[in-house]
Amino acid sequence: VQLVESGGGLVQPGGSLRLSCVASGFTFSDYAMTWVRQAPGKGLEWVSGISGGDDSTYYADSVKGRFTISRDNSENTLFLQMDSLRVEDTAVYHCVKVNVRVRGHLDFWGQGTLVTVSS
Amino acid sequence: QPVLTQSSSASASLGSSVKLTCTLSSGHSSYIIAWHQHQPGKAPRFLMKLEGRGSYSKGSGVPDRFSGSSSGADRYLTISNLQSEDEADYYCETWDSNVWVFGGGTKLTVL
Repeated sequence: VQLVESGGGLVQPGGSLRLSCVASGFTFSDYAMTWVRQAPGKGLEWVSGISGGDDSTYYADSVKGRFTISRDNSENTLFLQMDSLRVEDTAVYHCVKVNVRVRGHLDFWGQGTLVTVSS
Repeated sequence: QPVLTQSSSASASLGSSVKLTCTLSSGHSSYIIAWHQHQPGKAPRFLMKLEGRGSYSKGSGVPDRFSGSSSGADRYLTISNLQSEDEADYYCETWDSNVWVFGGGTKLTVL
């Protein structure tokens, strides 16, 4: 199993970024996926999740209405579109596999991509 | 939704054992949780899934030194024969109908 994130970088408050995560080593469409972030000096925070069939999406209250999760099962890729970014969104964003198709525990983590929101 | 409570820090000597605790909030004492290890500079790693009855299943390659147990709303991670590489942050995690939840994490120092 491998999860490789990309798309992080420096962006000004109010700006947008799109994160990608390419998965390999498992049947991507059979598993739900999530994004989890870690702000500097803080703990892990769940951000968003999506079922294997792409028919259900879930968001933390802190990002609802600003972030959109999606997936392309034909390309084994997970996305996170982040709009209206705030300074407090600064964090390492990890792509994380769920152990089942809909909801279950997290069982494999990507290395993460750093998002810095600053003027 | 469930809330997970962990002590912020723990310490134990090299070669000894340590037991970390994750407590589920009222009304959620039967929930399954997972333990994850986050070593500095590395991706977090899934350690085990732990049920309310105390049965657990570990991730691939997780040493036998790691074990889990449960009592009521408490979920435990025990690390035996502590090694220097066990120094890390440990997080418990669970899920509900439309959210995933993490505990605040325990920073383990190996003395």
